[in-house]
Amino acid sequence: GAGVSQSPRYKVAKRGQDVALRCDPISGHVSLFWYQQALGQGPEFLTYFQNEAQLDKSGLPSDRFFAERPEGSVSTLKIQRTQQEDSAVYLCASSLPGLTYGYTFGSGTRLTVV
Amino acid sequence: TQLLEQSPQFLSIQEGENLTVYCNSSSVFSSLQWYRQEPGEGPVLLVTVVTGGEVKKLKRLTFQFGDARKDSSLHITAAQPGDTGLYLCAGEDSGAGSYQLTFGKGTKLSVIP
Repeated sequence: GAGVSQSPRYKVAKRGQDVALRCDPISGHVSLFWYQQALGQGPEFLTYFQNEAQLDKSGLPSDRFFAERPEGSVSTLKIQRTQQEDSAVYLCASSLPGLTYGYTFGSGTRLTVV
Repeated sequence: TQLLEQSPQFLSIQEGENLTVYCNSSSVFSSLQWYRQEPGEGPVLLVTVVTGGEVKKLKRLTFQFGDARKDSSLHITAAQPGDTGLYLCAGEDSGAGSYQLTFGKGTKLSVIP
């Protein structure tokens, strides 16, 4: 597609519920990133894929967070047993290898845990 | 942990004024990028600077990378209401091996007509 597509745009979850956030990157972009942006803050790195391989998951805050990209295209970020501190905007970005061209971000999924 | 500090955090100016936003770190970055983010949207890349001392211009925006590659600035000439948004700087540490970016907290700019 022309841009990075994320769904849903908004998600309200009850505390303890599992959620799945989807990212459809730009066709041909081998690198895919997930970032978490809390209100009034800059994005913070969660995890990085090159094709289907998850090369860096050092930013995932706990073992309740899990990401996958099984065919090297669409990626899903799953959060189990959501907690209030998980409320944030989750941004997906894709890029060509390296950072010369920068990231292209999606519009994000705003997760609110109540 | 690499940190990027942006200043000022908030800036409200009249249309036609000039402004400068700063991005500082104690760490050296392989490259530094500037993004602009509008409410409800993801950040949009404005520029990437790679070489120490590099200056890049994008219409009324001038970006500079410090000689030591630890800091950067964004200067806007004759600001317009369309420049309103959150400006984020982000540094890449190629030593991290994963092309992850470290973002500052951003400068929220409001340009009043």
